[in-house]
Amino acid sequence: AAGVIQSPRHLIKEKRETATLKCYPIPRHDTVYWYQQGPGQDPQFLISFYEKMQSDKGSIPDRFSAQQFSDYHSELNMSSLELGDSALYFCASSSTRTGSSGNTIYFGEGSWLTVV
Amino acid sequence: AQKITQTQPGMFVQEKEAVTLDCTYDTSDPSYGLFWYKQPSSGEMIFLIYQGSYDQQNATEGRYSLNFQKARKSANLVISASQLGDSAMYFCAMREGPNTGTASKLTFGTGTRLQVTL
Repeated sequence: AAGVIQSPRHLIKEKRETATLKCYPIPRHDTVYWYQQGPGQDPQFLISFYEKMQSDKGSIPDRFSAQQFSDYHSELNMSSLELGDSALYFCASSSTRTGSSGNTIYFGEGSWLTVV
Repeated sequence: AQKITQTQPGMFVQEKEAVTLDCTYDTSDPSYGLFWYKQPSSGEMIFLIYQGSYDQQNATEGRYSLNFQKARKSANLVISASQLGDSAMYFCAMREGPNTGTASKLTFGTGTRLQVTL
């Protein structure tokens, strides 16, 4: 079965640079979530989109922005990168239309961002 | 207040034994879902099992079962017949709101690192 696809899997950026992460949700899933997981920490919710509209916002820095496109893929744009932005970034997707398993949120493999 | 609490930072279990990972939660919403995820050292977040607040029976998925005690607000994960490949970080998470027609986020606990030994 198709899973959530994230790219790139790894990237290294210098301070003050910009990075863009891409996410392709599971087909027919209408909701996309972005999470940030720092070293040794639990995932922290950044932002979510439902049917291409922002549906919820968490602890996302103002330097970060995200959007969901007409084909449902999503991009997380991170500017003026700081050392503290080094983390594993997850994209996840779910469908609000299914009733079983509580609209389980499925995660991609994550994108490892290192800021040097 | 912490919505999801996992009090065991680390656990050891011998191969073929069963192990219980604890999770308590806090919510005033009558509708919610509880999830367990496994995160191996490679980093991916793997869905294991789900329990809805209105589910009458405890969820089971293969070797995984969820011991759901609603009055105690606990949702412990039981792994039977542990395998070396079960060594990983395990996260309990909660989604508040009804099961359908909602796009609410997951809130995670701090995780329990499980080590399976020979």
